[in-house]
Amino acid sequence: AQSVTQPDIHITVSEGASLELRCNYSYGATPYLFWYVQSPGQGLQLLLKYFSGDTLVQGIKGFEAEFKRSQSSFNLRKPSVHWSDAAEYFCAVGSEYGNKLVFGAGTILRVKS
Amino acid sequence: DGGITQSPKYLFRKEGQNVTLSCEQNLNHDAMYWYRQDPGQGLRLIYYSQIVNDFQKGDIAEGYSVSREKKESFPLTVTSAQKNPTAFYLCASSINRDRGQPQHFGDGTRLSIL
Repeated sequence: AQSVTQPDIHITVSEGASLELRCNYSYGATPYLFWYVQSPGQGLQLLLKYFSGDTLVQGIKGFEAEFKRSQSSFNLRKPSVHWSDAAEYFCAVGSEYGNKLVFGAGTILRVKS
Repeated sequence: DGGITQSPKYLFRKEGQNVTLSCEQNLNHDAMYWYRQDPGQGLRLIYYSQIVNDFQKGDIAEGYSVSREKKESFPLTVTSAQKNPTAFYLCASSINRDRGQPQHFGDGTRLSIL
């Protein structure tokens, strides 16, 4: 069965510093991978997705993610964090059948000024 | 603007009571989903529907029921059989049931026990 691990529950970075959020997945074939962001009390917004092709994927709000098959990872990065990036971030993998998603437990990002 | 509307934003349930959470979408999407979110556990799939008049159980369907009589509506009922209903409930939709279609989310309903 598919699974997603986000090893970091909380991460704190200074405004203007770079960011990397880790995501490891378990999936037998080529995965469909997603990163979503959630502000407190809100729904989830899609940041980016990976299906195939170029392993470096660009998303909205200046985020990017790199798919590494050998490491079963899909880490999210941003060169310079803004205070408005403080939120919870979820990595997800698509299931083998249909369009169900399996989510990681999330990483809460705090930005200090 | 197209989107997903969940109501109410906050809901309180008494012991032994059934409550229904509303989810409406005007995106003309075929597929709809209900997730439950608990702190530190991510999102878990309760039910999903790939087309009108059809739905399947997700990973945690016990104590919940759904209907899909109209394309734009996918209400979730939390029954009295669900012993721990306090959570944040999110509804989502995708254009169809094909793998990899992005899911679009509503703003959620927070359910609490009185």
